[in-house]
Amino acid sequence: GAVVSQHPSWVICKSGTSVKIECRSLDFQATTMFWYRQFPKKSLMLMATSNEGSKATYEQGVEKDKFLINHASLTLSTLTVTSAHPEDSSFYICSASPGLADNEQFFGPGTRLTVL
Amino acid sequence: QKEVEQDPGPLSVPEGAIVSLNCTYSNSAFQYFMWYRQYSRKGPELLMYTYSSGNKEDGRFTAQVDKSSKYISLFIRDSQPSDSATYLCAMSVTGTASKLTFGTGTRLQVTL
Repeated sequence: GAVVSQHPSWVICKSGTSVKIECRSLDFQATTMFWYRQFPKKSLMLMATSNEGSKATYEQGVEKDKFLINHASLTLSTLTVTSAHPEDSSFYICSASPGLADNEQFFGPGTRLTVL
Repeated sequence: QKEVEQDPGPLSVPEGAIVSLNCTYSNSAFQYFMWYRQYSRKGPELLMYTYSSGNKEDGRFTAQVDKSSKYISLFIRDSQPSDSATYLCAMSVTGTASKLTFGTGTRLQVTL
């Protein structure tokens, strides 16, 4: 149990285009989902926290208009990178939590974005 | 100064060795301390978590937290080649399902 999937696992796009990444909790309802970004040999950095049905809370320094997050249902959250540029190339990982006390957050396998 | 410091390694040990992985932190508000294992191009997987100070053991893994020194450790006994991965420490103020602050991860290679 407690499986989180991400789609796509790998995407290449041209500079200036938008890319949507999906995060799904397959066997539980996720009241909270998190989006992280990971650069090579760097730690995961939290970008934003999203709760189902409400606006995402972004970490300091993360552009809300560039990284659009939608958590429309208890099993799906999406991250859209708008007008992507090469510096947005990174590994994006989501995690999901049932939201119960002391429950862990379960991580997806990640999406590697390369912007040409 | 980073909130969480972790030696990136790489750390190479022979099979059967005891491995010691460590993190230091600066935020005294952290109460939850976690260790994740991450294989290449995969998401992190929770190994162990500890609330506040103390030790916790699970099979070959032992986690230690010393809040007075702001220092946490993960010990792996009888290391196996399958333990080769990147180990990330993570910390939270409010819980394991809340905002996590990660270390950079230590890459471990267990050789035959």
